[in-house]
Order: sequence, then C-alpha cells, then structure tokens
Amino acid sequence: GQQLNQSPQSMFIQEGEDVSMNCTSSSIFNTWLWYKQDPGEGPVLLIALYKAGELTSNGRLTAQFGITRKDSFLNISASIPSDVGIYFCAGQDSGGSNYKLTFGKGTLLTVNP
Amino acid sequence: DAEITQSPRHKITETGRQVTLACHQTWNHNNMFWYRQDLGHGLRLIHYSYGVQDTNKGEVSDGYSVSRSNTEDLPLTLESAASSQTSVYFCASSIGRSGAQYFGPGTRLLVL
Repeated sequence: GQQLNQSPQSMFIQEGEDVSMNCTSSSIFNTWLWYKQDPGEGPVLLIALYKAGELTSNGRLTAQFGITRKDSFLNISASIPSDVGIYFCAGQDSGGSNYKLTFGKGTLLTVNP
Repeated sequence: DAEITQSPRHKITETGRQVTLACHQTWNHNNMFWYRQDLGHGLRLIHYSYGVQDTNKGEVSDGYSVSRSNTEDLPLTLESAASSQTSVYFCASSIGRSGAQYFGPGTRLLVL
C-alpha cells in the first residue's frame, strides 16, 4: 500500500526559531493535508493543498505541494510555546471514489520558552 | 455550530465484552471514518462509510464492525473486546472529494 515518510520524527527548538518538516511518498497524491494534534485531543486541520506547486499560508504556517506530487513540506516561522504538539501530514489519492487518507507517523515538536 | 462528537471520552471494559463507541457529526458529511492511534503506528483506518447503508473495511478491521443507518452517526462496535484493542479511537468525517477530514476529540479505551 501507499506509505508516507515524515521527517523528522521529533524536533526540540528554542522559542522564536523557524521549523521545517516534510513528507515524501512512494506514489502520487492529488491532495496534501497538514494536521496538528495537541495532547488528549483529535488532529486539527491546519492547511489543505490541492494543486501541484501550490504554496499556502495560514498565519505563521506555510505549506507547499511538491511539483512531483510525491512530497510536501510545512514551515512554522517564529515558533511559540503553543506550537508544541504532533504534526501529521496526510495524502489523498482521489482517483475514482477513493476518499481515504494515508497518514505520516508524525513529527513531535517541542518548543523551549 | 456544526461539530463532530464522540462518546464516551473514556471507557474501561473487560476482555470479551461487547463495546460500542459513538460518533455523531452535524455537518451533513457523506464520508465518515474510524481510526485507532497507537504509539509507533500513527493513525490506522479501521472502517469507513461513504453514505447511508455503505460500510467498508480499513487496514485493521478484524474484531470491529460499523453500521450506517443515517448520515449523522457511525457507531463502532468491538464484538468481543481484546487487550490488543486498548487504544485511542478517533472518528472523522469529510464531504465529497475534498479530502480534508475533520476529527472528533477521541475515545480512550482500556481493555483489562
């Protein structure tokens, strides 16, 4: 089946630093999504990307849909303590009637105040 | 406001018992999904539904079942709970082909 490789697995940074994480796939996706999960909560959608090459921002977050459609990255600028959590990428192959997502295993972000 | 809810939020049960976890969404989404989340495995799809009376198996469906009698609800049943089913369970929903799934707050299940 499809697999997503998400890296890094974890990051420990100082408040104010920029963060970058990425996902690569062995197959093409038509949609890339980025989620954040806080402890004890469900994943929350941060950014959705629907077109190869698309660059989308949401506040301090910026994500890009890779040209090859096999990768995506998420950048967080000027990190703050509330950025702590697990970040997941997810891809969807929306060919036909398949609406399922394939998830990466997550990047655990720790921000030191 | 439209939302997706799960109940109970926490559940302790014994091996062999039948357990049903509820998922209810008020977005009128056609697609609903159940995942389990375990350390080292990430989110794994259990079952999913693309509409009323439609149900499909995901990658880890053994020991679980779902039914979809209306648009709003997709209850997940553990037929005979096993310790290996101790996990955090998330329900999600999406509309049409958009891809973006919206998650509930989760149910933490402990099987003793």
